[in-house]
Amino acid sequence: QQQVKQSPQSLIVQKGGISIINCAYENTAFDYFPWYQQFPGKGPALLIAIRPDVSEKKEGRFTISFNKSAKQFSLHIMDSQPGDSATYFCAASKAGRRALTFGSGTRLQVQP
Amino acid sequence: NAGVTQTPKFRILKIGQSMTLQCAQDMNHNYMYWYRQDPGMGLKLIYYSVGAGITDKGEVPNGYNVSRSTTEDFPLRLELAAPSQTSVYFCASSYGVAGETQYFGPGTRLLVL
Repeated sequence: QQQVKQSPQSLIVQKGGISIINCAYENTAFDYFPWYQQFPGKGPALLIAIRPDVSEKKEGRFTISFNKSAKQFSLHIMDSQPGDSATYFCAASKAGRRALTFGSGTRLQVQP
Repeated sequence: NAGVTQTPKFRILKIGQSMTLQCAQDMNHNYMYWYRQDPGMGLKLIYYSVGAGITDKGEVPNGYNVSRSTTEDFPLRLELAAPSQTSVYFCASSYGVAGETQYFGPGTRLLVL
């Protein structure tokens, strides 16, 4: 049972463009939604996270949009740069649980 | 701080062999986790620990064992390696409960032949 579905599997964006990655979840008990960034040969690192009491969170060029009624959230990368080329994972966790449920990942390539 | 460290970086095992993947953190985190990452499948939780002496199963625990004798260390044991255990293994830690940032190690790539 895949509780967090992520799309697209891969994404190619031109430098300066907007990258958009989408995730949908099934479990309404989830209350924490982070995005992790992973470079080749490295472990994932937290990029940005949101809780369902807000609909949007922005940190620099990275924005999470959250739609509680649709059970969807997305990552927007504005002014995408070649250095943003990495694999991005959405995740979710629920109150009282310590572990994250991850999406399947999106491999982003930003072309110069 | 070194953060989360994992050894070895890469290992080849024969079917039926055993090995221990080492994980250590120096951030005094209570919670530690083991994930495996298969291509196109994201990360799946194997085991986690909420403190020394306390461990619990995750989503895919079969074929693995863990122990947590100290706050710093959380080794993962493979008793009888199978090809299905070929994967990249990540250890992570966090300070508190759900919603806390998890810090990941660099991973151990395991190939079972």
